[in-house]
Amino acid sequence: QSVLTQPPSVSGAPGQRVTVSCTGSSSNIGAGYDVHWYQQLPGTAPKLLIYENNNRPSGVPDRFSGSKSGTSASLAIAGLQAEDEADYYCQSYDSSLSGWVFGGGTKLTVL
Amino acid sequence: QVQLQESGPGLVKPSETLSLTCGVSGYYISSGYYWGWIRQPPGKGLEWIGSIFHSGSTYYNPSLNSRVTISEDTSKNQFSLKLRSVTAADTAVYYCARHRATYSSVDCWGQGTLVTVSS
Repeated sequence: QSVLTQPPSVSGAPGQRVTVSCTGSSSNIGAGYDVHWYQQLPGTAPKLLIYENNNRPSGVPDRFSGSKSGTSASLAIAGLQAEDEADYYCQSYDSSLSGWVFGGGTKLTVL
Repeated sequence: QVQLQESGPGLVKPSETLSLTCGVSGYYISSGYYWGWIRQPPGKGLEWIGSIFHSGSTYYNPSLNSRVTISEDTSKNQFSLKLRSVTAADTAVYYCARHRATYSSVDCWGQGTLVTVSS
């Protein structure tokens, strides 16, 4: 059981918009700690997609966006492309555990 | 361009110690940043193991704290992971990583190395 809860899978057709949720609690997201998102293509290391809730590193398309509210955060992917098919993970800090926590991951399928 | 590269045995026997090293190029670890380890069991999600600050201070995942030691060797520009008393549950791809602060994201990952615990 991951401390941060993500849906196991989401799917969408090319061109559509999908969202991935990340639900935490008052000791992590709800405590004000930032949420970060990673994309992991099959057989590769994760890649930073969104940092500090809603910031994109250089080189990440603006089709990817992040938001945070209360004890949850979301990753939105607009204009789905086949190359977006990957696993997506959220990450935050938990004060009761005194360390990082990750979501269980969400597999995105592009139909 | 900062690059991280894990190295170490791919097979460790149960009850023994898993030892991995992360070589860093393109940045001196003594210059700053945190340097950490994250693992991913086959087919599962990510788990943070622990991190070391360039000053040498460390912090670990409480669930692994009693078995983990992370250290640095600034003369070789590398940092290391030791995980004691391993079991099959420690079989995973181990990634080394760089992050800017305690609560920050990982901005640079190693490619990962699979460590299998088996007799």
